[in-house]
Amino acid sequence: DAGVIQSPRHEVTEMGQEVTLRCKPISGHDYLFWYRQTMMRGLELLIYFNNNVPIDDSGMPEDRFSAKMPNASFSTLKIQPSEPRDSAVYFCASSLGRLQPQHFGDGTRLSIL
Amino acid sequence: AQKVTQAQTEISVVEKEDVTLDCVYETRDTTYYLFWYKQPPSGELVFLIRRNSFDEQNEISGRYSWNFQKSTSSFNFTITASQVVDSAVYFCALSEATSVDDMRFGAGTRLTVKP
Repeated sequence: DAGVIQSPRHEVTEMGQEVTLRCKPISGHDYLFWYRQTMMRGLELLIYFNNNVPIDDSGMPEDRFSAKMPNASFSTLKIQPSEPRDSAVYFCASSLGRLQPQHFGDGTRLSIL
Repeated sequence: AQKVTQAQTEISVVEKEDVTLDCVYETRDTTYYLFWYKQPPSGELVFLIRRNSFDEQNEISGRYSWNFQKSTSSFNFTITASQVVDSAVYFCALSEATSVDDMRFGAGTRLTVKP
């Protein structure tokens, strides 16, 4: 079975540009999570969805970040405008339930110059 | 809110040594789940184990074993006869059943196994 698929794997862009990260969860998983990982702050939950509905977005740093899940097989995390401090690895994960193991994608390594 | 502490930031061992990674948690919930994840140098996060609060039996999977002790709020992870491929960052995590809070990850322990 295919795991969680994220794209792109790497993104390098200039400050001020819009960045869109994409995620395809495992089929049948009702929960989708977006995380950010940095050396300074570790693994942080940004937002999670249940059945395509955002449940908790309290981890989204600011209005420059937005996430959508238009259907059960696709989600996006958008940063507009991007800033150098947004540089991090962004992970998407999905699970069968909130208390079930989360299965992570390979991550997107984002560098904002 | 729940909290997970992994006091060991980095551990270095020589191949074939046994190593234990500590995880201490705090929760007010009586029903909760504990997890361990592995993040090898390639960067992906790999699920290793889930344990619920009502099951204190130790778990063994090959060279990996987990010791869950509610009395000390700990869920420690032991690797027996470590190998270079075990080098990774290991995360402990906690989810509470009755809370709407998300899964809380510890800061991780970086394990380096030298040949």
